[in-house]
This record gives sequence, structure tokens and C-alpha cells, in this order.
Amino acid sequence: DAGVIQSPRHEVTEMGQEVTLRCKPISGHDYLFWYRQTMMRGLELLIYFNNNVPIDDSGMPEDRFSAKMPNASFSTLKIQPSEPRDSAVYFCASSRAGAQETQYFGPGTRLLVL
Amino acid sequence: AQSVSQHNHHVILSEAASLELGCNYSYGGTVNLFWYVQYPGQHLQLLLKYFSGDPLVKGIKGFEAEFIKSKFSFNLRKPSVQWSDTAEYFCAVKGNTPLVFGKGTRLSVIA
Repeated sequence: DAGVIQSPRHEVTEMGQEVTLRCKPISGHDYLFWYRQTMMRGLELLIYFNNNVPIDDSGMPEDRFSAKMPNASFSTLKIQPSEPRDSAVYFCASSRAGAQETQYFGPGTRLLVL
Repeated sequence: AQSVSQHNHHVILSEAASLELGCNYSYGGTVNLFWYVQYPGQHLQLLLKYFSGDPLVKGIKGFEAEFIKSKFSFNLRKPSVQWSDTAEYFCAVKGNTPLVFGKGTRLSVIA
């Protein structure tokens, strides 16, 4: 199993630009999660999907952030326009259905907004 | 809603020292508890998890954690740390919502 795949691994962009982060969950997993990790705030859940449907996006910080999951094997997290305070590591994770299932994390995308 | 508190922000130990990292959660219902580890520059990996049964859970690399329901705690332990255990450790709880993570504890093991 290839695990959760994220791209790009690193992204450097200028303030105001659009940023798109991509995630491919583990095949057969019904849940997909997007997290943001910063030194100040730790690991924060932004949004999660179940069977491609967004269930809870209360962690999305602002309207500049949006996430989609057009099919079971692909999700995007978009920031438009990006700001320096969006600089962080963004992780995608997936899990099977069921309360006892473990979340498996991707390698993350390190975003730097100048 | 559940929350997780990790008491130590940064712990520095010598090799072979014993480790205990504190984790307390707040949630009155049934919980599933996890410890994840993040090695420098890497993603989070599951160290161990508790769902039910024996409150003493053994994980990979010699780590264990004990669920004490009366104290709402799930502390992580290892009898003898190695330099390769240098990493950040996250406690997480799952109650009636998806995983909630603690802020993490950075462990530095020195020779």
C-alpha cells in the first residue's frame, strides 16, 4: 500500500497567490481529513469528508480556504488569496469507517507564503 | 466537546533514562485514545492506541501507555529511551467527534 500521498511536498508562493494542495487517500478508506500544523497552534483539524461529502468544516479558518473531494481517491485544499499567516505544514489523513479506525497521515505539504 | 492537554512542552533526557509523558483529556463519554509520533521532518505515525479492554497498552518500539479512567489520563511511558526516540509526541482522543490532538511534547534524547 502506497499510503496517503500529498503533493506538492513544498510550496513557496507570494502573498495573494492561489495555492492548491492535493491529497490521495489510501484506497478503501472512507474518511479524509485535512490538518494544519504550526508551532503556535499545534495540529488543527480543518475539515473532514466521509464518502466524499464534507461533514465538518468548522475548522476552516476563513473563506479564503476551501476543500473539495470530487471522488474517493482525490481531494484538494485551496487557499485563495494566500497570506503569510497561512504558512504551515498541511497534512492529509485518511481512515476506514468506524470509531476504532486509525488515521493514517500523509507526508505533509510545507507551505511558505512570502 | 473533547479536549486534550499535554503537560510538557519539551522534555530532555539522557539515553537510557525512563520516559513518562503526560496526557489528560476532558470528555465524559466513551473515548478512544491514541499516541502518535512525529520524527523530525516526517509525518505522524501511530505509536499505540486504546479502545477497550486492558488499560495498559503496548505499542511499537517499546512504548506503552496506561489508561486511567478515573484520572482521565493516558500517559505514555518507555523504560529506557534511545537517541532515535527524539521526536514530537502527540496524544489524541476520539469521543463523539473526530480525533482531537494535544499540542504535542517534544522529546530530545541526548547521548
